[in-house]
Order: sequence, then structure tokens, then C-alpha cells
Amino acid sequence: DIQMTQSPSSLSASVGDRVTITCRASQSISSYLNWYQQKPGKAPKLLIYAASSLQSGVPSRFSGSGSGIDFTLTISSLQPEDFATYYCQQSYITPYTFGQGTKLEIK
Amino acid sequence: EVQLVESGGGLVQPGGSLRLSCAASGFTFSTYPMNWVRQAPGKGLEWLSYIDSSSSTIYYADSVKGRFTISRDNAKNSLFLQMNSLRAEDTAVYYCARFPGYGIDVWGQGTTVTVSS
Repeated sequence: DIQMTQSPSSLSASVGDRVTITCRASQSISSYLNWYQQKPGKAPKLLIYAASSLQSGVPSRFSGSGSGIDFTLTISSLQPEDFATYYCQQSYITPYTFGQGTKLEIK
Repeated sequence: EVQLVESGGGLVQPGGSLRLSCAASGFTFSTYPMNWVRQAPGKGLEWLSYIDSSSSTIYYADSVKGRFTISRDNAKNSLFLQMNSLRAEDTAVYYCARFPGYGIDVWGQGTTVTVSS
């Protein structure tokens, strides 16, 4: 199985900050990498698919990059509604494994 | 409105069975692959199973293989997860999820399964 490792596991930041979350795959997954946002008690929400494509309706302050093994999710200017947990997921091969999550908290 | 609504969760004893259902609306269900994903209390997301639009291709995570069965009824716009031989570690919120091939773009609200004596 492909292991997905996110870093950091938690992060404190302020409104307006630029934030980067990293996801590393245990083997190459080309660009089959997705990013989700989850708020407490809610279902996850797709932000980025295919490593860098912005899902419809998602604010442009979210962006993704990378291919192969290393990927990043960047939030250019944090807004209050962005404080949540973020997950990466590979959809290259089953099992479609998720990273362990990155909890983004208010500083 | 595109929507997925799960049902069928509840409390079950270890070794018991439960069948989850997911009702789809607002899109052409029969053309989309679907997934089940779960989340144990306070934990991360775990992908469980995939079924293609015609039920011809099915995959499972090792953690549920041989115990869980995914199926769908395109005529009734419904997805199912039959769960047998349930264990305490199967306690989680179970999500039905639409998977167009590049990521899960629609999620249900989740149904809670608790396995306990």
C-alpha cells in the first residue's frame, strides 16, 4: 500500500498568514493527489484534485502543487473560516490512502 | 441539488452485522463510481471500498476485505455497504462518497456505527 505522510501534523497561524502543508507519498503517484478540508462534525470537502486543479467553488487562495512523491497545499492568506483539518489522499491505486491530517489552528 | 444521504447506522454487538444505505439525488447516479470512507472517533479518514458505475470493478481495503461487501442499485439510485463480523475497531462515522475518478467531490453527511457489547 502507498503511505501518505503529511507535515506538520498541527500548525498554528494567524489570519492573513501564508500557510503551506506538505504531503509525501511512499512511491510515485504521478499527479493523483487530492486535498480535502474537514471542519468538526462535518464531512470533508474537496479543495484540490489532480495535485493542482482547484475544485469548483473553492476560493483561489487555495492552491496545490507537486508531482511524483512530494506535494504541497498552500493557503495564500488565511481567513477565519480556513481553520480546520486538512487531508491529502492518493487516487493513483487502491487502497486510496489518506494522510494522517494536518490540524490548522488559530495562533 | 447534488446530495448523498446515508442511513442504517446504529449500535451493534461485536460479531454482528449491519447494512448501510446511501440514497443519491441530483445527479445521474448510474454514471459515477462510488466509495465508502470511514472516520473513527477522533481519528483520520480511512478509505474502505470502491465500486464502478456498472458494479463490474470492486476494491476493498485490507481492513474490511472478506467482511464488508459494497453494492449498488442504479435503478434505485442507491449504494450499500453490508458489514459482517463487526469489531470494536469498526466503530466510526461512515461516509458515502462520489468518486468521478480524480477525487471525492461529493460526500454524504455520514452515519454512525458503534460496535459494543
